Amino acid sequence: DVKVTQSSRYLVKRTGEKVFLECVQDMDHENMFWYRQDPGLGLRLIYFSYDVKMKEKGDIPEGYSVSREKKERFSLILESASTNQTSMYLCASSLFGRAYSGNTIYFGEGSWLTVV
Amino acid sequence: TQLLEQSPQFLSIQEGENLTVYCNSSSVFSSLQWYRQEPGEGPVLLVTVVTGGEVKKLKRLTFQFGDARKDSSLHITAAQPGDTGLYLCAGEGRRGGTSYGKLTFGQGTILTVHP
Repeated sequence: DVKVTQSSRYLVKRTGEKVFLECVQDMDHENMFWYRQDPGLGLRLIYFSYDVKMKEKGDIPEGYSVSREKKERFSLILESASTNQTSMYLCASSLFGRAYSGNTIYFGEGSWLTVV
Repeated sequence: TQLLEQSPQFLSIQEGENLTVYCNSSSVFSSLQWYRQEPGEGPVLLVTVVTGGEVKKLKRLTFQFGDARKDSSLHITAAQPGDTGLYLCAGEGRRGGTSYGKLTFGQGTILTVHP
């Protein structure tokens, strides 16, 4: 069974802290994504990676960075957490290629981050 | 940045009623996906439509992709309480465009079906 695992489901961090969100997939997928989900805004892409050590900015990369040292792991880093980064963060993965070629995107269960 | 306008944002209906959720954009998408998300979980893919005018059926759910590939709809017939959840549409950017290979999500529709 396919699996995208986000290690932390619920986190509470203080303003200014450095925050790491970890994501691991066991499907040997090339593509990995980080989204944040806020009520009324849907999912917004923060960063994505199509290969090890490769990354591209999404629509809202400000205040975030990512790391992909191994194919199965994609980390989201908040260098200095702020209250407006309180949100649900979703990791996803897919085979390389486009959705219409039949490559399903699989999501993790999400990480709820509260910055106080 | 491509935008997808999803409506309505909230839908509260009685069991047995029909409903339609719309997803509209001024941009052309190479494909459009519909997801369902339950509380505490990530979105799960329901369907992908690729061809303009395409209609796909999944039991009581009917998905349509507009002829110009700018809009899509999800129609549920005889809704059941088990259909309750958040429904999201997502469009994939065209080859050659800046959104190539990425998904743009609509705002979501929270559907509640009362017994």
